[in-house]
Amino acid sequence: QSVLTQPPSVSGAPGQRVTISCTGSSSNIGAGYDVHWYQQLPGTAPKLLIYGNSNRPSGVPDRFSGSKSGTSASLAITGLQAEDEADYYCQSYDSSLSWVFGTGTKVTVL
Amino acid sequence: EVQLVESGGGLVQPGGSLRLSCAASGFTVSSNYMSWVRQAPGKGLEWVSVIYSGGSTYYADSVKGRFTISRHNSKNTLYLQMNSLRAEDTAVYYCASLRGYPGWFDPWGQGTLVTVSS
Repeated sequence: QSVLTQPPSVSGAPGQRVTISCTGSSSNIGAGYDVHWYQQLPGTAPKLLIYGNSNRPSGVPDRFSGSKSGTSASLAITGLQAEDEADYYCQSYDSSLSWVFGTGTKVTVL
Repeated sequence: EVQLVESGGGLVQPGGSLRLSCAASGFTVSSNYMSWVRQAPGKGLEWVSVIYSGGSTYYADSVKGRFTISRHNSKNTLYLQMNSLRAEDTAVYYCASLRGYPGWFDPWGQGTLVTVSS
């Protein structure tokens, strides 16, 4: 049911930079709708990480950054920390009148 | 502090009904766009339904005709009435406020587990 595609997993050593891609289509990201990102720690509710493609809510470290181009978006985590180990989801809106999420990416800190 | 607290989850047989509640504090449900999002065990997030401040409602195709979103303004509470439940409706159900338009979800409640099984 997810219409936004993400890699199932990414990993990196502490201090490294990792990126997560989010690929959509002409009916969602490519139609100009913004992309938002959430972090879900094990056993907890999702938490907003990035909104409006590249904006961080108050309290989110500047190690997290987002970008969007064409029918895709990316989340970058620089200076990876152990506490960043979590699932990450992108989200946008689809012209079929529904909000859509990505398939989710598990980030592992080696 | 804005807080959303869901309740009403539990075990229900296929074909049965359940009503979820989401009590809000720190902001007014009726003045905001409110939504339900679910997550099946070990799976990703799926948008379920939204109610706009003006009262318009929309549903995912997977629940259309079976689920009804509503709110009680004086109780500052959001609801999800779920009928004709199926095994594939088994999930943690989160309520969330929808910010901007079409927007993003923030904040989220802690979630309530619905299990549909005989």
